[in-house]
Amino acid sequence: QITLTESGPTVVKPTQTLTLTCTFSGFSLSYSGVGVGWIRQPPGKALEWLALIYWDDDKRYSPSLKTRLTITKDTSKNQVVLTVTNMDPVDTATYYCAHSRYGDYYFDFWGPGTPVTVSS
Amino acid sequence: DIQMTQSPSSLSASVGDRVTITCRASQTIRSYLNWYQQKPGKAPKLLIYAASSLESGVPSRFSGSESGTDFTLTISSLQPEDFATYSCQQSYSSPYTFGQGTKVDIK
Repeated sequence: QITLTESGPTVVKPTQTLTLTCTFSGFSLSYSGVGVGWIRQPPGKALEWLALIYWDDDKRYSPSLKTRLTITKDTSKNQVVLTVTNMDPVDTATYYCAHSRYGDYYFDFWGPGTPVTVSS
Repeated sequence: DIQMTQSPSSLSASVGDRVTITCRASQTIRSYLNWYQQKPGKAPKLLIYAASSLESGVPSRFSGSESGTDFTLTISSLQPEDFATYSCQQSYSSPYTFGQGTKVDIK
């Protein structure tokens, strides 16, 4: 049974760096073909694809946010970490992590999401 | 980036209605199109992948089809639990962009 859970601060100040952790079970990022991605959704708006990391440390980023995003994995802890630098109020959203497979690229298992508000 | 345009942005329907939602890609994505259902306050749920393959456990009233760069999600007979927002996603080329969503509510 695959599960994922996001964790991190619920409020950050403008210009600060956001660090979110996705902790998962039921699979390993040492398995060939496995990936974990991050997606966000501002209140009342559409889903936005952010980043994806694969078992072989291949990383993909949204070009519009690439300079601000870093995705890493800790295989021993079953965790994936997303950092977003220079946070702005427009980054206020619910952030989701999700399981994916190389070659498919859709997300078949999702975490419940974690809300992040950017406010001074 | 590949742009995904959904229509309509919202619709009102009754239980038992046949509902169709369309997603158009800005360029070819072959069959790399996925559909998700999202209810308020919940994470999206994968319904259909590769344009027409039903995810395990998803009711057969949901179906997907494609014609070139146009993709369709059909709910054959709308049920009370189907009132939600539906989003498409292309998985052909990174960044794997989503459509803006279609909200289905009760008429």
